Amino acid sequence: GNSVTQMEGPVTLSEEAFLTINCTYTATGYPSLFWYVQYPGEGLQLLLKATKADDKGSNKGFEATYRKETTSFHLEKGSVQVSDSAVYFCALEGGAGKSTFGDGTTLTVKP
Amino acid sequence: DTAVSQTPKYLVTQMGNDKSIKCEQNLGHDTMYWYKQDSKKFLKIMFSYNNKELIINETVPNRFSPKSPDKAHLNLHINSLELGDSAVYFCASSLAFGQGNSLAFGSGTRLTVV
Repeated sequence: GNSVTQMEGPVTLSEEAFLTINCTYTATGYPSLFWYVQYPGEGLQLLLKATKADDKGSNKGFEATYRKETTSFHLEKGSVQVSDSAVYFCALEGGAGKSTFGDGTTLTVKP
Repeated sequence: DTAVSQTPKYLVTQMGNDKSIKCEQNLGHDTMYWYKQDSKKFLKIMFSYNNKELIINETVPNRFSPKSPDKAHLNLHINSLELGDSAVYFCASSLAFGQGNSLAFGSGTRLTVV
């Protein structure tokens, strides 16, 4: 079956630091890949997505590139802010209607 | 306008009680889901409905019974609540079933069974 493995947290960074959260996946075929963000006390929100190999998703300064050769979809941001503190989930949807989520990575950004 | 809204936001109840959570989406999506998030933030799908039809039913105790009166609503009824049912339950929707679409989530219902 499908699976998503993402970098274990928690991750603590200083403001303006560079962020990478690693995500790799196992799936048959060509899944769509997503990053969701969950702020404290809220539901998950779609952050960005990519639907085919070499696509780059981007939003709010975050980027991730769909790498089929390495089955990866790493999340990056060049300069994090305190307001980016949240839990980040990597996910895929392989066409069977059931999204598979990673275990989440908690990011804390300190001023 | 809230896209996916669920009520109540908080639910505290005693073991053995029966409770319901309601969910509505105004996005015109065909597919709706229930997810359970545990205290470690792990997300697990419970059910999925497509145009009112049950499509996904994961290994969930039959004390949990979803109902979809129309494609904009998906409710979750839980009988004989147990301590282990304490979690945050999220409703979600997607444009269509099985086409690689993203999910729109509600803000969650935090259920505490005491």
